Amino acid sequence: EAQVTQNPRYLITVTGKKLTVTCSQNMNHEYMSWYRQDPGLGLRQIYYSMNVEVTDKGDVPEGYKVSRKEKRNFPLILESPSPNQTSLYFCASTPSNTGELFFGEGSRLTVL
Amino acid sequence: KNQVEQSPQSLIILEGKNCTLQCNYTVSPFSNLRWYKQDTGRGPVSLTIMTFSENTKSNGRYTATLDADTKQSSLHITASQLSDSASYICVASAGRGYQKVTFGTGTKLQVIP
Repeated sequence: EAQVTQNPRYLITVTGKKLTVTCSQNMNHEYMSWYRQDPGLGLRQIYYSMNVEVTDKGDVPEGYKVSRKEKRNFPLILESPSPNQTSLYFCASTPSNTGELFFGEGSRLTVL
Repeated sequence: KNQVEQSPQSLIILEGKNCTLQCNYTVSPFSNLRWYKQDTGRGPVSLTIMTFSENTKSNGRYTATLDADTKQSSLHITASQLSDSASYICVASAGRGYQKVTFGTGTKLQVIP
């Protein structure tokens, strides 16, 4: 089944404790991206990647890192999480020919 | 600054009725516009994609229109069903690639029996 898989789906952590949210897609898509969704603000792009080893900042990259060592994986790293990073996070992959975003099921992160 | 505005913020309709959701965008250079449906707690799912040259696109009971001159799009839902209850998000892309996207804040639709 074609899908984008995120882990963990739910996480409660404390300020400053490094964490990684994994994202994997099995559709051989070139593009991958990360978003956060907050009430009243909608989805905002954090980082995107156009191919392996090619990443770029989105609209709200502060406090986040990403890497794209393999085509299928695009992990989101929070080196030192803070409470303002409490949010619902979505990973998406996109085929280069259509631009359609295929989203994962989301990861709800709470930073205390 | 690229912007996407949606209206109304929320809407309640009776099952079986039609409704229309609106999207105004300011994105340059415009590439394409998409509508997504997001069930509560789930990832958004694509309904339609339209490029600059397309005026209308349908997906079952969903019909999207695009007016590139006025920078407006609408999503019309026909014969609504309870399962249509969700948030509907308008997304505009800029540039040649597909990665610079701007999302609207969505319209929350509730269909009641």
